[in-house]
Amino acid sequence: GENVEQHPSTLSVQEGDSAVIKCTYSDSASNYFPWYKQELGKGPQLIIDIRSNVGEKKDQRIAVTLNKTAKHFSLHITETQPEDSAVYFCAASNEASGNEKLTFGTGTRLTIIP
Amino acid sequence: DSGVTQTPKHLITATGQRVTLRCSPRSGDLSVYWYQQSLDQGLQFLIQYYNGEERAKGNILERFSAQQFPDLHSELNLSSLELGDSALYFCASSVAPHNEQFFGPGTRLTVL
Repeated sequence: GENVEQHPSTLSVQEGDSAVIKCTYSDSASNYFPWYKQELGKGPQLIIDIRSNVGEKKDQRIAVTLNKTAKHFSLHITETQPEDSAVYFCAASNEASGNEKLTFGTGTRLTIIP
Repeated sequence: DSGVTQTPKHLITATGQRVTLRCSPRSGDLSVYWYQQSLDQGLQFLIQYYNGEERAKGNILERFSAQQFPDLHSELNLSSLELGDSALYFCASSVAPHNEQFFGPGTRLTVL
């Protein structure tokens, strides 16, 4: 089955700086890659996603890049703000498999230092 | 607020007991997913329903079962509970199988 590795497990950045979180996946058939943000006591919130027919996608301060050949994808947050502090999860699924389950990475705890 | 509701928010019970977790998907969503989040296993997919039918199964124990009702709400039944079943249980929903999944706030289950 699919295996998703995520790095780093913790990340501290100065407010205003950029943060990058990286994930690799094992199943070359995976074609959908969402990112979720989880704040304390809440459920994961979808913040951006990308499908394998696209190499990059941006939404304001957030961007995701995908390298299908290397089987890795990354989340980029620019101009970080204190409210960006949370745990971020990457995930992967194969939408053509008839099983849309998401396989999650182990999470990155992002702390923004004011 | 994702529009997915889950009840109860917290559940404390004893080993050997049975509990039922409830999920109401976003209005219009036909697909419901259940995930378990624990410290040692992370976020793990349990089971998916689409329009009342089971669509996919993941790492769901035989002691666990689920169903989706005609009004599209779903219930996850956990029986013969063990200490290791203590975790957060999340429900997610999507319009159709190949669409974005939106998560509810979760049910925190504590087995004593």
